[in-house]
This record gives sequence, structure tokens and C-alpha cells, in this order.
Amino acid sequence: GENVEQHPSTLSVQEGDSAVIKCTYSDSASNYFPWYKQELGKRPQLIIDIRSNVGEKKDQRIAVTLNKTAKHFSLHITETQPEDSAVYFCAAIPVGYGNKLVFGAGTILRVKS
Amino acid sequence: DVKVTQSSRYLVKRTGEKVFLECVQDMDHENMFWYRQDPGLGLRLIYFSYDVKMKEKGDIPEGYSVSREKKERFSLILESASTNQTSMYLCASSQTGGSYEQYFGPGTRLTVT
Repeated sequence: GENVEQHPSTLSVQEGDSAVIKCTYSDSASNYFPWYKQELGKRPQLIIDIRSNVGEKKDQRIAVTLNKTAKHFSLHITETQPEDSAVYFCAAIPVGYGNKLVFGAGTILRVKS
Repeated sequence: DVKVTQSSRYLVKRTGEKVFLECVQDMDHENMFWYRQDPGLGLRLIYFSYDVKMKEKGDIPEGYSVSREKKERFSLILESASTNQTSMYLCASSQTGGSYEQYFGPGTRLTVT
């Protein structure tokens, strides 16, 4: 089955710097890759997603890139702010999984002001 | 706005007790999910339901069962709670077709003593 690995497990950056979180997946037929943000004590929420027919997607300060050949996708946050501090989860939907997501282990991002 | 609610935010049960966790969504979503969240392990799927009375095992179904008698409600049952089931339990829902976005509930922190 699909396996999603996420790195790093923790990331500390200075406010204003960029943060990059990377995920690799095992099933080359996976076709949907979302990123969820979970603030402390709150529920995970979708922040951005990308489908396999697109290489990059941006939404203000966040972007996701997908490299299908290498089977990895990354979340990029520019000009980080303290409110970006959270746990970020990547996920993938392999073909044949219907609507089920396979999640990575999560990255704790700390933005130091 | 999608709303997913869970019956309890915190629950303390004794080993061997039968435990019911309830989840309700108000957006007429076909799909509902139960996840377990543990530090360093991400979100692991316990069970998934794609319709009333329909269910599929996820990655870690052992020790759990589910019930979906109505479209809006999905229950997770621990037949005989054990200490290794101490965890955060998250419910989610999504629609079939189009977006794969999952909407999460606030979570139930279950402690089994």
C-alpha cells in the first residue's frame, strides 16, 4: 500500500524566513496531494492541495510543488509569521483508495519572533 | 460552513470498559472517517464509511468497531478499552466526487486507566 514519509519532523525558523517541508510517496499512481495545518488544540484544516497533472500551485505565502518522477511534493511557506506555527501534515490518495487519505507523520513548525 | 462535531472533548475510561465516541456532520457528506492521532505517527485511519451501514477497515482497525445507522452520524466503539488505546481520536467527513477535502471534528482526547 501507499507509504508517505514526511521530513523534517520539527522545523524552527526565524520570523520572515522561508520554511520548506518535504514528503515522499511510494505509489506512483497517487494522484492527489493535500496539506493540512493543525494549530495547537485545534482541528486539522486543509490549506492547499495539488493534483498529479499540475506541477506547482500557489496561494499567497504558501505554495506546493510536485515532482512526479521523483515521487515527492513539498510545502513552501514564505515570509513566515508566528501564526504559521503549527503541525503540518502532508497526505496522498493512491489510485483505488477512493476518498481515503494516507497521511505523513507531521512536521512541527515553530516560527520564532 | 461545514460543521463536524464530536460528543466529548475529553474522556477518561477504565480498562475493559466499552467506549462509544460519536461524530455528527451537518453537510450531507457521504464519507466519514475515524482517525487516531499519536505524536510522531501522524493521523492513522481506523475505519471509513462511504454510505449508511457501509464500512471499510483502515490501517489500524484492531480493537475497534464502527456503526453508521444514519448518514450524519458515525460512531466509533471500543469494545473493551485498553491502555494502549489512550490517544486523540479525530472524526472527519468528505463528499464523494469533486473535492477530496476532509473536514475534521475537534477531537476527543481519550485516556484509558
